[in-house]
Amino acid sequence: DAGVTQSPTHLIKTRGQQVTLRCSPKSGHDTVSWYQQALGQGPQFIFQYYEEEERQRGNFPDRFSGHQFPNYSSELNVNALLLGDSALYLCASRRSGREETQYFGPGTRLLVL
Amino acid sequence: GNSVTQMEGPVTLSEEAFLTINCTYTATGYPSLFWYVQYPGEGLQLLLKATKADDKGSNKGFEATYRKETTSFHLEKGSVQVSDSAVYFCATGPNYGGATNKLIFGTGTLLAVQP
Repeated sequence: DAGVTQSPTHLIKTRGQQVTLRCSPKSGHDTVSWYQQALGQGPQFIFQYYEEEERQRGNFPDRFSGHQFPNYSSELNVNALLLGDSALYLCASRRSGREETQYFGPGTRLLVL
Repeated sequence: GNSVTQMEGPVTLSEEAFLTINCTYTATGYPSLFWYVQYPGEGLQLLLKATKADDKGSNKGFEATYRKETTSFHLEKGSVQVSDSAVYFCATGPNYGGATNKLIFGTGTLLAVQP
């Protein structure tokens, strides 16, 4: 049973560019969340998708957007990259319902130069 | 909103020593509580969880008890191994009738176990 997978594993971009990160949830999971983890910090919640809609959003600007596809996979898009966007981006999935645990992928490490 | 405070690291221990990593939380209602572990270069792995007061989560020799009266969820292990070296994150999530949505993490505690 494959867990949460993310691609790419590493990415280098320059300021002002745009980036798309991808996530495939664990089998049987329908809800996907994205987190940003800056170096030496805990993960910060970006947003969550369920039934192809953004359901909850953290304190991130509109430059951060996402999408969920009918097969429950998800993309995170970041426009107009800033140096401060350099971080590990983690995807987490869970099955909708009561007390369902979130499972994390290995992350995509983004470096903005 | 909810928040989590955990002890700063690094925590350096010798193999077979006793481990405690403190975690306290502030929250409205009755949140679920979690400990996640992050090994070097990897994502987060769920270590244990507790969903209501007085619950004890346990896994791989680690334990934590949900203490509502002290708003704490301290992580303990009786005898650590070198392979336990990692960053440990305490986290809380809202508990809207039992459905856990976004997680709020502490800043993490680096544990280094020396042979």
